[in-house]
Amino acid sequence: DAGITQSPRHKVTETGTPVTLRCHQTENHRYMYWYRQDPGHGLRLIHYSYGVKDTDKGEVSDGYSVSRSKTEDFLLTLESATSSQTSVYFCAISGLNYGYTFGSGTRLTVV
Amino acid sequence: QQQVKQSPQSLIVQKGGISIINCAYENTAFDYFPWYQQFPGKGPALLIAIRPDVSEKKEGRFTISFNKSAKQFSLHIMDSQPGDSATYFCAARSGDSGSRLTFGEGTQLTVNP
Repeated sequence: DAGITQSPRHKVTETGTPVTLRCHQTENHRYMYWYRQDPGHGLRLIHYSYGVKDTDKGEVSDGYSVSRSKTEDFLLTLESATSSQTSVYFCAISGLNYGYTFGSGTRLTVV
Repeated sequence: QQQVKQSPQSLIVQKGGISIINCAYENTAFDYFPWYQQFPGKGPALLIAIRPDVSEKKEGRFTISFNKSAKQFSLHIMDSQPGDSATYFCAARSGDSGSRLTFGEGTQLTVNP
């Protein structure tokens, strides 16, 4: 979607390796979110940010960390990837009107 | 803890028919209820949203019906078309959770020609 990009789009990594996913926005929105999407579970919140250096945990935060050093960038790091973290990861942004804009997703496979 | 329950998981409808997807919630602090549409390989996109002070909102062929007392809301797609085939997610926002949305599990809709 215009205004939000995720990278990489696809990644295959080995168990135990660190992985960082990037979300970049050009909308200057305050809120940014990382979700994972798995069949039967919908979209589950991993971490979110409500400003530069202000982050908090979501419902499935174990094994993940985030950082936001600039308004436009929100990084999701898997410190030591496991097979259970194979998923599609979506970044989203929102402004004052509550509506989310999602990125196109990153398909991560941990082998 | 799943706070928004969505059904059915999958739905097959004939072209021209009505598609109905239901969601139920528990948290009475929820104050914003959007629906998202997702096509394969894409991120979800906002389709339509409602606040609890109205019982229905219509945008084109898409209607949200909201029942505050029952804590339920539903999406109706009138005159369903093959191009509506997608995954649909309901969601809810709590006023005391910042802007975080809690999503339902999703419904995969297939509209047969």
